[in-house]
Amino acid sequence: GQNIDQPTEMTATEGAIVQINCTYQTSGFNGLFWYQQHAGEAPTFLSYNVLDGLEEKGRFSSFLSRSKGYSYLLLKELQMKDSASYLCAVTTYSSASKIIFGSGTRLSIRP
Amino acid sequence: DVKVTQSSRYLVKRTGEKVFLECVQDMDHENMFWYRQDPGLGLRLIYFSYDVKMKEKGDIPEGYSVSREKKERFSLILESASTNQTSMYLCASTPGTGRNIQYFGAGTRLSVL
Repeated sequence: GQNIDQPTEMTATEGAIVQINCTYQTSGFNGLFWYQQHAGEAPTFLSYNVLDGLEEKGRFSSFLSRSKGYSYLLLKELQMKDSASYLCAVTTYSSASKIIFGSGTRLSIRP
Repeated sequence: DVKVTQSSRYLVKRTGEKVFLECVQDMDHENMFWYRQDPGLGLRLIYFSYDVKMKEKGDIPEGYSVSREKKERFSLILESASTNQTSMYLCASTPGTGRNIQYFGAGTRLSVL
């Protein structure tokens, strides 16, 4: 079966750094996505990792360890607009077009 | 930019009604998807389509059907709406090659009374 775990909620302070973790158990793992979803809006793509390591894109970075079934999303210099849900999602070789989503982590930023 | 358009942002229907949710994408994407999103449950796949007139069941297809007569349009049909189908419905599309990033529509919040 497929299983994706991420914390339900997190709180962080404006200007700080926060790390959102995601662990997964899937057969035939192919790659891992992170999406951002503001309340009442559609999810938007943040990052995609296939190989082990860290990928940096501005204030956001995403890390993957295939052997550990583990990923994290790192947000630096937090801004109030980063308050959103962050969705971890995986694809598998058997169906590369389908994405399996985790339940999401709701991140609240306080001033 | 990819644009995925869902025909309605909000819908209110009565139990037993037949409901159509429409989705159109403008990037000639091969694959299209319908999800529902409920608090605490995340995004759950209802149906997807990888070609015109082709469809596959997702994780929760019961009570739903779909139609893809044209490449750009993917419709979700609730044959007889029930209160437990009150939810946010999201349509998405992917090119079918490369990273297969999913591009989402703005969502339709459906209330079944």
